[in-house]
Amino acid sequence: EVVLTQSPGTLSLSPGERATLSCRASQSVSSNYLAWYQQKPGQAPRVLIYGASSRATGIPDRFSGSGSGTDFTLTISRLEPEDSAVYYCHQHEQSPRTFGQGTKVEIK
Amino acid sequence: QVQLVQSGAEVKNPGASVKISCKTSGYTFRLYSLHWLRQAPGQGPEWMGWINAGNGDTRYSQRFQGRVTISRDTSANAVYMEMSSLRFEDAAVYYCARVVAESMHLDYWGQGTLVTVSS
Repeated sequence: EVVLTQSPGTLSLSPGERATLSCRASQSVSSNYLAWYQQKPGQAPRVLIYGASSRATGIPDRFSGSGSGTDFTLTISRLEPEDSAVYYCHQHEQSPRTFGQGTKVEIK
Repeated sequence: QVQLVQSGAEVKNPGASVKISCKTSGYTFRLYSLHWLRQAPGQGPEWMGWINAGNGDTRYSQRFQGRVTISRDTSANAVYMEMSSLRFEDAAVYYCARVVAESMHLDYWGQGTLVTVSS
């Protein structure tokens, strides 16, 4: 199974700052099958990015994804207070689908 | 609008079974597959399996094979997940989620169903 390792575990930043979240896969993943999700307490995950770099419908352009092979990145260019959440990367190329353990983004 | 509405919270004894429903609306049910995932406290989601709502084909994670059954009712536009032989470590929030055919990512999710396993 493909293991996804996210770093850092927690990111504490101020509004307006840039957040860079990393996701490393234990084996190569096609960019077509790498997604990022945002989850707030008590809510289901919400897709932000699919295909490594395509924004889902309604997602602000401050969210962007990049990467290929085993290294992928989610960037939030200018943090807003509502971006406080846990972010997960997810690969769906190989079965079983797997998720990273998450990066918690805290807004100071 | 697309909606996935799950059944309510469950409290079960170890060894019991639980069946959770996911009722869909706002799209053509048969054209999409639906997946089940679970999330234990403080952990990332864990994928369990999926069903092709069109033909009823199912696939399961090896971790849950033999203990989980996913089914559908096309007349009700609903899918179901039944797990047997519950253990304390099965306590989690269970989600259904729809897959986009073109990109295969999970786009719409149910609100989640909390399953508590307690003696």
